[in-house]
Amino acid sequence: DQQVKQNSPSLSVQEGRISILNCDYTNSMFDYFLWYKKYPAEGPTFLISISSIKDKNEDGRFTVFLNKSAKHLSLHIVPSQPGDSAVYFCAASAGSSNTGKLIFGQGTTLQVKP
Amino acid sequence: DTAVSQTPKYLVTQMGNDKSIKCEQNLGHDTMYWYKQDSKKFLKIMFSYNNKELIINETVPNRFSPKSPDKAHLNLHINSLELGDSAVYFCASRIGGLAGGQETQYFGPGTRLLVL
Repeated sequence: DQQVKQNSPSLSVQEGRISILNCDYTNSMFDYFLWYKKYPAEGPTFLISISSIKDKNEDGRFTVFLNKSAKHLSLHIVPSQPGDSAVYFCAASAGSSNTGKLIFGQGTTLQVKP
Repeated sequence: DTAVSQTPKYLVTQMGNDKSIKCEQNLGHDTMYWYKQDSKKFLKIMFSYNNKELIINETVPNRFSPKSPDKAHLNLHINSLELGDSAVYFCASRIGGLAGGQETQYFGPGTRLLVL
């Protein structure tokens, strides 16, 4: 039972263009969502997060959008840079659990071509 | 200064052996986690400790036993290793307390375990 899904295993975009990574979830108790970026042979690095009381959070080139009714979130990277090439994981937690337990999607590999 | 560190980075061992992986965080966080990334790249929670107390224990074989000597360390001991234990194991920490559900977790670099 996969509660967080990233249905696109890979995405390729041209440098300077927009990258859009998508994530769907099924558990309506999730109220906090995060995106992590992972390079090969390294641990996941926190990128950006959003609480369920918001529908958008922006940090520089990265923006996360949350559509609670559709149980869908997306990460926009504008403009995309070759250094953004990595695996991106979407994660969700239910704050009410207080344990901070994260449920991860299976990741999307982003390739940004120069 | 590495915030969350793990040792060893690579571990190759035979089936049936017992091994430990160590994790240390110097962030002053209260809560630490172990995740497993399997061959299909899924990252799944295994255990969590808050200030040396076990707060998450997923359906993991009891051959896996976490130990937290203090809140800065969370070690993972695995008995009678099996081929299916081959994976990348990540340690993570967050500021935590049990009232902090919405906080970022910071991950270590991972330990790549290969069981032959």
